[in-house]
Amino acid sequence: ILNVEQSPQSLHVQEGDSTNFTCSFPSSNFYALHWYRWETAKSPEALFVMTLNGDEKKKGRISATLNTKEGYSYLYIKGSQPEDSATYLCALLTGTASKLTFGTGTRLQVTL
Amino acid sequence: EADIYQTPRYLVIGTGKKITLECSQTMGHDKMYWYQQDPGMELHLIHYSYGVNSTEKGDLSSESTVSRIRTEHFPLTLESARPSHTSQYLCASMGDYLDGYTFGSGTRLTVV
Repeated sequence: ILNVEQSPQSLHVQEGDSTNFTCSFPSSNFYALHWYRWETAKSPEALFVMTLNGDEKKKGRISATLNTKEGYSYLYIKGSQPEDSATYLCALLTGTASKLTFGTGTRLQVTL
Repeated sequence: EADIYQTPRYLVIGTGKKITLECSQTMGHDKMYWYQQDPGMELHLIHYSYGVNSTEKGDLSSESTVSRIRTEHFPLTLESARPSHTSQYLCASMGDYLDGYTFGSGTRLTVV
């Protein structure tokens, strides 16, 4: 079973702070790495899908990088806002059925 | 507007009852998935489907069963609910793997 680890487990920052989370995995034997944002009482929402070593993706104040050789991906949030409060999930896509294996997530809380 | 629908949103039911959790999507996706999440734990895949008449067990053993008679519909059934089935159940579908999963809003099941 693929082991996807995320750190930290939780994070509490002030509005305007920039922050980053880590997703680490043991091998490069996967098709893609996904990042999702999961707000309370809502569905997980896809943020980024990355496939190549060195991939960098950006959406507004949020960006992500992928390093398959060393087995990690970073998610960055610049100038955190209260609406960024959510759990951020990392997952690896494997197999012909395109199954996702998830980490436990990083829970971010942004306060004023 | 949600493209994948799960009902019910919350369910409290007695031990021994038969229950069916509904999941429907309007995107014409072939691949569909059921994930289970216990509090503080990661999402675990319990069932998936490549398409009509295809169902497979996921990485986490589950006493539930699924069916896929129509592309848009992927219900999950528990023949005899037990307190150990208390959990959150999330349904998802995927078209192109570069788009990521589309998740439903989940069913929070409590068996008393």
